[in-house]
Amino acid sequence: SQQGEEDPQALSIQEGENATMNCSYKTSINNLQWYRQNSGRGLVHLILIRSNEREKHSGRLRVTLDTSKKSSSLLITASRAADTASYFCARGSNYKLTFGKGTLLTVNP
Amino acid sequence: ETGVTQTPRHLVMGMTNKKSLKCEQHLGHNAMYWYKQSAKKPLELMFVYNFKEQTENNSVPSRFSPECPNSSHLFLHLHTLQPEDSALYLCASSQQVALGDNEQFFGPGTRLTVL
Repeated sequence: SQQGEEDPQALSIQEGENATMNCSYKTSINNLQWYRQNSGRGLVHLILIRSNEREKHSGRLRVTLDTSKKSSSLLITASRAADTASYFCARGSNYKLTFGKGTLLTVNP
Repeated sequence: ETGVTQTPRHLVMGMTNKKSLKCEQHLGHNAMYWYKQSAKKPLELMFVYNFKEQTENNSVPSRFSPECPNSSHLFLHLHTLQPEDSALYLCASSQQVALGDNEQFFGPGTRLTVL
């Protein structure tokens, strides 16, 4: 499969804890992107990391990319109940994004 | 609000009906996309348009017919659908289809149910 594959499929944590989601892929990429989707809604772009970058931060989000292992991780620090959503990684190659099945994150108040 | 709107938000149709989904982007982008999201499956790219020209048809059945009259509008015409076509249909746009960065902006989706 050329898709980005997220791990775990589901994650349940308490408010204030950190959440880490992982993504693996099989083919070369130009960039790797993370998106968030609230139940039954459209996807919202969170962060993009280019293939020549190793780490990127945006607010409470931290993304790492290891191209030798073909993997990426998304860390959400100090989680909030409002962070409850599905999180998808998408492999950016040429003009296409290829999505994985996502990680369902539940943050309990 | 992402600057991409979709109508209708919900649609129920019979297998013999003909309906259309509409997408409009207010971002000045030149590329538009249709995706299908089914339960427990990855997001599936259906069609890509760049500067009104179709650049990708991901082996989509002919009962789905896209139309892109200009860079701001995208339609998906539906006819003789099957129950397995029930899904969330998402429209997205980006600056253009090109090598390199390609952040996409998504609409809220149309929840389609085929009876």
